[in-house]
Amino acid sequence: DGGITQSPKYLFRKEGQNVTLSCEQNLNHDAMYWYRQDPGQGLRLIYYSQIVNDFQKGDIAEGYSVSREKKESFPLTVTSAQKNPTAFYLCATSPMGSNEKLFFGSGTQLSVL
Amino acid sequence: GESVGLHLPTLSVQEGDNSIINCAYSNSASDYFIWYKQESGKGPQFIIDIRSNMDKRQGQRVTVLLNKTVKHLSLQIAATQPGDSAVYFCAEYNDYKLSFGAGTTVTVRA
Repeated sequence: DGGITQSPKYLFRKEGQNVTLSCEQNLNHDAMYWYRQDPGQGLRLIYYSQIVNDFQKGDIAEGYSVSREKKESFPLTVTSAQKNPTAFYLCATSPMGSNEKLFFGSGTQLSVL
Repeated sequence: GESVGLHLPTLSVQEGDNSIINCAYSNSASDYFIWYKQESGKGPQFIIDIRSNMDKRQGQRVTVLLNKTVKHLSLQIAATQPGDSAVYFCAEYNDYKLSFGAGTTVTVRA
């Protein structure tokens, strides 16, 4: 996990509330990604960003939003439109020219109160 | 649906034995594959990778085999140790994205 910091480790959301998950990296990697992991399932891509001020939707972007104002940071907001937000969220990075090799953070467990 | 999948969701192996974890993929255009290991409550860690122009690649105690004819990928772990207990994911790279299978949970018996 070295170089990629996700916070908080655990997060609780009330109904109708937006919450933001933090992902910071000091690896100087250009690309950053957000994945969602549900029990017994593989990782599903929410959003990704190849460069600053640019990002693309992944396979399950509905109910989520992101920003990429700095190379080091890629926060994910889980909006109230996401009706089933309980999951383990993983942030990942990859260096320029090696988009296929991802380095993962330690994850944030989001639960609904 | 997912293009990458593992044959078995769980695998129990005796300590010291060899483990074989299988994965089937459906996208013949994928040219790069990775195996990740995920311990409980942590993010996935890179184990080994292989490009589609190779059939086999070896690392430390691990070997990945790629059979493009039947679109099958396997991870072999030699002399399995208790620290190898984890969930193992295969992933394929295509269209600038990695797609992950559901994972196989490996439990090592003492």
